[in-house]
Amino acid sequence: QQPVQSPQAVILREGEDAVINCSSSKALYSVHWYRQKHGEAPVFLMILLKGGEQKGHDKISASFNEKKQQSSLYLTASQLSYSGTYFCGTEMNSGGSNYKLTFGKGTLLTVNP
Amino acid sequence: DAGITQSPRYKITETGRQVTLMCHQTWSHSYMFWYRQDLGHGLRLIYYSAAADITDKGEVPDGYVVSRSKTENFPLTLESATRSQTSVYFCASSESSPTATNSPLHFGNGTRLTVT
Repeated sequence: QQPVQSPQAVILREGEDAVINCSSSKALYSVHWYRQKHGEAPVFLMILLKGGEQKGHDKISASFNEKKQQSSLYLTASQLSYSGTYFCGTEMNSGGSNYKLTFGKGTLLTVNP
Repeated sequence: DAGITQSPRYKITETGRQVTLMCHQTWSHSYMFWYRQDLGHGLRLIYYSAAADITDKGEVPDGYVVSRSKTENFPLTLESATRSQTSVYFCASSESSPTATNSPLHFGNGTRLTVT
């Protein structure tokens, strides 16, 4: 069962902020975030393990809410280079034991000048 | 050069033919994965492997076969290709379990397969 990402697509102007959500109907143990530019391979952004932590990477940060079974990716003061499709990958309900990462369908982010 | 490489980058084959997609990594990562990417579906896991000679099915394994006789190689074989297997295939590796540690997936550049 795939995690559900929202929104499916978002268009921003340079400098604006965006939030991408990733939710599951089952308990989450870990969440990965990746970005994929058109025609390229997905590239790792960050991992959040169970514990409700928040992580940051330049102006991109993420949170993990176990109770809501949801993770959110925050893009602050977006740059043209942020354009791409963002994927969350999750491992559900087995405490991290089965090492199988299931990805959502992706969120297409377009940043315009 | 160190990294994860896939070959070929592009492949056109006919329905019913057998085709093998290659994946090679030089990091000695234990974990390796095959995903397919299709519009509207995102990345779907086909097969994965925790070590040499250990493989397991993912979400969409039907019609595919994998082997892992050596840590560094993880080939994916389509036994009898069908048009529905037209897709972009990504191989990935991880140093340790990506779900239990802070170990990310490193993706290859992908193979674009067209089945006519």
